[in-house]
Amino acid sequence: DSGVTQTPKHLITATGQRVTLRCSPRSGDLSVYWYQQSLDQGLQFLIQYYNGEERAKGNILERFSAQQFPDLHSELNLSSLELGDSALYFCASSATPGLAGGQGDEQFFGPGTRLTVL
Amino acid sequence: KNEVEQSPQNLTAQEGEFITINCSYSVGISALHWLQQHPGGGIVSLFMLSSGKKKHGRLIATINIQEKHSSLHITASHPRDSAVYICAVSGKGESGGGADGLTFGKGTHLIIQP
Repeated sequence: DSGVTQTPKHLITATGQRVTLRCSPRSGDLSVYWYQQSLDQGLQFLIQYYNGEERAKGNILERFSAQQFPDLHSELNLSSLELGDSALYFCASSATPGLAGGQGDEQFFGPGTRLTVL
Repeated sequence: KNEVEQSPQNLTAQEGEFITINCSYSVGISALHWLQQHPGGGIVSLFMLSSGKKKHGRLIATINIQEKHSSLHITASHPRDSAVYICAVSGKGESGGGADGLTFGKGTHLIIQP
């Protein structure tokens, strides 16, 4: 058990709909990362938050957005869903994002949310 | 060309064999990560390293920064080691301060037969 929790575990929805995925980082971790794992693209970095602020963006679509709340939990919002958005969505947390040019910290992954868009 | 390349893509071996999985990367990094993903989907961090060698139980990870290459070794392999092993790198965070999210290889699917 990594200490990172994600809800829900499974989500089935229809095209055009909007869903929210939730992540609670390990106690004391300030940084949250969101990743998408699909069959054709593999694992991809979406977005990172540190202590409530957006820190880095990866391959996140404009239809997707995220935020980190004062209690450090994070939500990933996916809207206007398409069939291709079906994937496993992982959240990971680390203690600090690392200093600029520095090493960064080990990331601990949650169990993931499996999203199926029909 | 993917920034992180792993080989082999698939590996089947007999219990007890010494296993090596290789990873090459083409970008500047702050650290390299080895991850394990079991069929259930969960991802576990095995190692994070930026130089030299680390050992944990039967697992050993090495990195050569000059050659941009890392290897993951499993000694005395066991069927419970069957999983996908993923190499990932974290950048130097030059864009906004702090290490960026991970860039992943495609993974090595390892099966250890009894």
